[in-house]
Amino acid sequence: KAGVTQTPRYLIKTRGQQVTLSCSPISGHRSVSWYQQTPGQGLQFLFEYFSETQRNKGNFPGRFSGRQFSNSRSEMNVSTLELGDSALYLCASSLGGTQETQYFGPGTRLLVL
Amino acid sequence: DAKTTQPTSMDCAEGRAANLPCNHSTISGNEYVYWYRQIHSQGPQYIIHGLKNNETNEMASLIITEDRKSSTLILPHATLRDTAVYYCIVRVAGSNTGKLIFGQGTTLQVKP
Repeated sequence: KAGVTQTPRYLIKTRGQQVTLSCSPISGHRSVSWYQQTPGQGLQFLFEYFSETQRNKGNFPGRFSGRQFSNSRSEMNVSTLELGDSALYLCASSLGGTQETQYFGPGTRLLVL
Repeated sequence: DAKTTQPTSMDCAEGRAANLPCNHSTISGNEYVYWYRQIHSQGPQYIIHGLKNNETNEMASLIITEDRKSSTLILPHATLRDTAVYYCIVRVAGSNTGKLIFGQGTTLQVKP
């Protein structure tokens, strides 16, 4: 079974631009969670989508948003990019039920100049 | 979710067992212990999880103390490819949330 895939793998943007990242979960998984990883803050939870609805949300500004499609694929969008948004963005998928294990993708590395 | 404490770094000789400790003294009775690892700049990889009994799979063993206030992840025969950051996470049982709270983890360096 194919793992979690994320596209693109690398991205360079400039301040003020917006960016959209994509995540395809493992087949059959209905939950997709997004995380941001930076050297200073470590791995931080952004939000989770389950059956096209946001189920959990971390402590990030409204510039960070996401959505999930009927096939469980998910996208996250960051508007008005700031230098501090440079990070590795990871998504993880799970079946979505009680205590289901999450499996992570390889991440998208975003550099904001 | 309970907070976990892990040593910042550890070394292990190749071929020897790597024992990674985790303290979770405030763990509740319904919280599971999960272990993930992250090899440089890759996505975290699930290793193992448990509630109160010791667990073993093809990757590792998880030993949880009887009072559940601490646990140890054991990699029985460490290889250079096991060099990574290891995260110990506690998670509420019955939780259907996808939210995992990562600490700083333990950087394990396996040396030849």
